[in-house]
Amino acid sequence: DAMVIQNPRYQVTQFGKPVTLSCSQTLNHNVMYWYQQKSSQAPKLLFHYYDKDFNNEADTPDNFQSRRPNTSFCFLDIRSPGLGDAAMYLCATSRDRGRASNQPQHFGDGTRLSIL
Amino acid sequence: AQKITQTQPGMFVQEKEAVTLDCTYDTSDPSYGLFWYKQPSSGEMIFLIYQGSYDQQNATEGRYSLNFQKARKSANLVISASQLGDSAMYFCAMRGGAATGYSTLTFGKGTMLLVSP
Repeated sequence: DAMVIQNPRYQVTQFGKPVTLSCSQTLNHNVMYWYQQKSSQAPKLLFHYYDKDFNNEADTPDNFQSRRPNTSFCFLDIRSPGLGDAAMYLCATSRDRGRASNQPQHFGDGTRLSIL
Repeated sequence: AQKITQTQPGMFVQEKEAVTLDCTYDTSDPSYGLFWYKQPSSGEMIFLIYQGSYDQQNATEGRYSLNFQKARKSANLVISASQLGDSAMYFCAMRGGAATGYSTLTFGKGTMLLVSP
């Protein structure tokens, strides 16, 4: 049974048209992450939530926003998608964080975003 | 700053043979964690194995084992008895340091493994 669910699996949007990707989890994990992964590259962290505490990576463009209305859901909003934003977007969760944590991040299947 | 290096863009192995995927890392934090993930062509990231910097023994999970050499700062993944379903991209990752509350992951560039019959 899927524990980190991303919808939709494939998303097509027009250049400049706002788009929202969703992620839900049944693990009751405290931490949720959004990654961007372009073709043949490693995942790049955009931001993460520790509970309601939002943590943005320094190089994440302002065009990318996130919301976490409750423990289970997290959204990625792209305000004005450009052609360079076409990528796989991966959501992940982890139970906690901390120096001694051996908890892996659990990933969803990803949403592949195309820009027309 | 943390850094993960995977020097093998691609590896080929025959079915039933063992294969080693290389990973070296750099960090100034004495406490760290190393993870290996598998990403098939379908896109999902699958957690394989974890090694903590203070773990006394090398981690093992089924056909996966980690050859952890702390002094050399390497954490190579060994897959024994390769199967066709092992064909995928493999990422080595390190848990973040104090600045991120130790919660984020830094990924290497990955190694594409192809298993042939």
